[in-house]
Amino acid sequence: KAGVTQTPRYLIKTRGQQVTLSCSPISGHRSVSWYQQTPGQGLQFLFEYFSETQRNKGNFPGRFSGRQFSNSRSEMNVSTLELGDSALYLCASSLAPRTSGGLGNEQFFGPGTRLTVL
Amino acid sequence: DQQVKQNSPSLSVQEGRISILNCDYTNSMFDYFLWYKKYPAEGPTFLISISSIKDKNEDGRFTVFLNKSAKHLSLHIVPSQPGDSAVYFCAASWGLGNNDMRFGAGTRLTVKP
Repeated sequence: KAGVTQTPRYLIKTRGQQVTLSCSPISGHRSVSWYQQTPGQGLQFLFEYFSETQRNKGNFPGRFSGRQFSNSRSEMNVSTLELGDSALYLCASSLAPRTSGGLGNEQFFGPGTRLTVL
Repeated sequence: DQQVKQNSPSLSVQEGRISILNCDYTNSMFDYFLWYKKYPAEGPTFLISISSIKDKNEDGRFTVFLNKSAKHLSLHIVPSQPGDSAVYFCAASWGLGNNDMRFGAGTRLTVKP
């Protein structure tokens, strides 16, 4: 079974531009979460989508947005890029959000998109 | 707001010995904990998890211990192998229907042959 794929793998943009990153979850997985990884802040949760609806959102400005399509593929968009947005953006998929006490649906991560803002 | 902390940025152990990676958390609402392993240029890979109703979960060479009163969990790798060298992240989440995970900063484990 193919894993989570993310495109592009590397991206260079300049301040003020916008960027769209894409994530294709594992076949059958309907939940997609996005994370930002930076050396200083570690892995931080951006948002989660399930059945084309945003279920949870982390503490990021409105410049960060996302969406999910009917085939569970997801995109995240960052507008008006800032230097501090340079990071590794990771997408993770799971079958569904946690549904039973004590049990979780493990999230499987893609390789990430390395975004550099100049 | 660092709710999950891994205070040791790095750990070095000899092959065959035990590796113990530690993680502390502050949010008592967390009820599900996970460990991920990350190699360079790859996304994190799920290793093992534990729910708050247990205090130990074992999977082969990997055992996770949870001490809820101390808000502390640890990952034991026995015996350690050179292929275990990677960055290990501790993560925590809470609530049903919630895939929002809070991660620690990671611990880089080096297993020397």
